[in-house]
Formats: sequence, C-alpha cells, structure tokens
Amino acid sequence: QVQLIQSGSEVKKPGASVKVSCKVSGYTLTELSMHWVRQAPGKGLEWMGGYDPEDGVTVFSQEFQGRVTMTEDTSTDTAYMELTSLRSEDTAVYYCAGGPYHTLAFDFWGQGTLVTVSS
Amino acid sequence: DIVMTQSPDSLAVSLGERATINCKSSQSLLYRSNNKNYLAWYQHKPGQPPKLLIYWASTRESGVPDRISGSGSGTDYTLTISSLQAEDVAVYYCQQSYSTPYTFGQGTKLEIK
Repeated sequence: QVQLIQSGSEVKKPGASVKVSCKVSGYTLTELSMHWVRQAPGKGLEWMGGYDPEDGVTVFSQEFQGRVTMTEDTSTDTAYMELTSLRSEDTAVYYCAGGPYHTLAFDFWGQGTLVTVSS
Repeated sequence: DIVMTQSPDSLAVSLGERATINCKSSQSLLYRSNNKNYLAWYQHKPGQPPKLLIYWASTRESGVPDRISGSGSGTDYTLTISSLQAEDVAVYYCQQSYSTPYTFGQGTKLEIK
C-alpha cells in the first residue's frame, strides 16, 4: 500500500521560509513522478511544480518561479518543497502528489500540510 | 499555458439521477504518438486529499465505482456520474498533464438537490 506522509502544520511570519516534507512508503521515490499542489482557503487546486518526464527536469509554475525549490532524498524516499519570501496569500494546504510516469496522473496524495502565514 | 475551463461551477442533482460535468482545454491534450488524452479527473472532499477518479480521459482508476465514467478527446471532456449517491457530494476537478504547467480546472461543486 502506497502512502505519502507529510510533515505537520506550520505557522510562519511574512518574509520567512517553509520547508514541507513528504515521505513515500510502499514505492520508492524514483518510481513516482512527484509534484506539489496547493489549495488556498476557498480556492481551487493549484499545481506548483513537479517532475517533467519529457525534459527530465523539475519544472515550476511561473507563479512560484524564484521562490520555490523541490528536492528529493532517494536514500530516505522523501521529497521536499521549500517556499521562500512567504506572504499572507501563501496561506494554504500544501499537498505532495505522485503517480506513474506513463499515466502522468496523481494516483497518490499526501494528507496535506497547512501553512499559515501571519504576522 | 493550457487553460482548463469547467462547466458548470456548481451543480445540484437528485439522488439516483445523472450528473454531468464538462471540461474544455485551450489546446488539444491528445498525444498522437500513443493516442492518449492526458486529462485526469479528481474528486475532492473537505478535509481529505483529492482522489484520482479517471486518467487518460476515460480510464477508471482501480476501485472507482463504474457509475463514474469519463469521455472526450482533443479539447472537450466530460465526467459522468450515472446515478448520484450521497457519497458523491464533492468538488470535482479536471487536470491536464499534456504539458507543464499541469493546470487544473476551477472546480465544479456537486451537491444533492
């Protein structure tokens, strides 16, 4: 059974950074195309970035260019997403999501991590 | 970027009746090399992560009831719930993975009439 377990809720001040982890079990990280999706209060799902198998690199939504870093530690099967220069509009639930490379669909999701940005 | 537009924004259907949600992409999601449409549907309930229902526009994910189906090709897609059950109340999203950024539709809220 595949599980994606994310780190716990965070409260950050504007201008700070947050790093969310996502540990994969039941699969190895290298078997999944990993992505990050967020949902702000009252809003829809927003793709932040993830692995593009066509180019073989991690790509990001233009919205987060320069502020987001996505990394993977294959020795522990853990993915990380770091978002810097936080503002109140970054308050959201952040999800890691992954799936097989051939379908490019997100079969597996973490439980979500609430990040609250408030002074 | 590919823009995904769903209709309607919200929908109220009686139990046992059919629910239909549409999704239109600003460009074709059909990969000619393998004849697959890179369009997925997700169900999202409050307090839970989204759940994959359909991928490749019409392939049902394992465990998804057969009253839920997807259809369409190119730029026009449909999610159909043939006989609405109480547990189907949720927000439904389409998403394209034809090219990055992998954009979502704005969501359709499905309720019981």
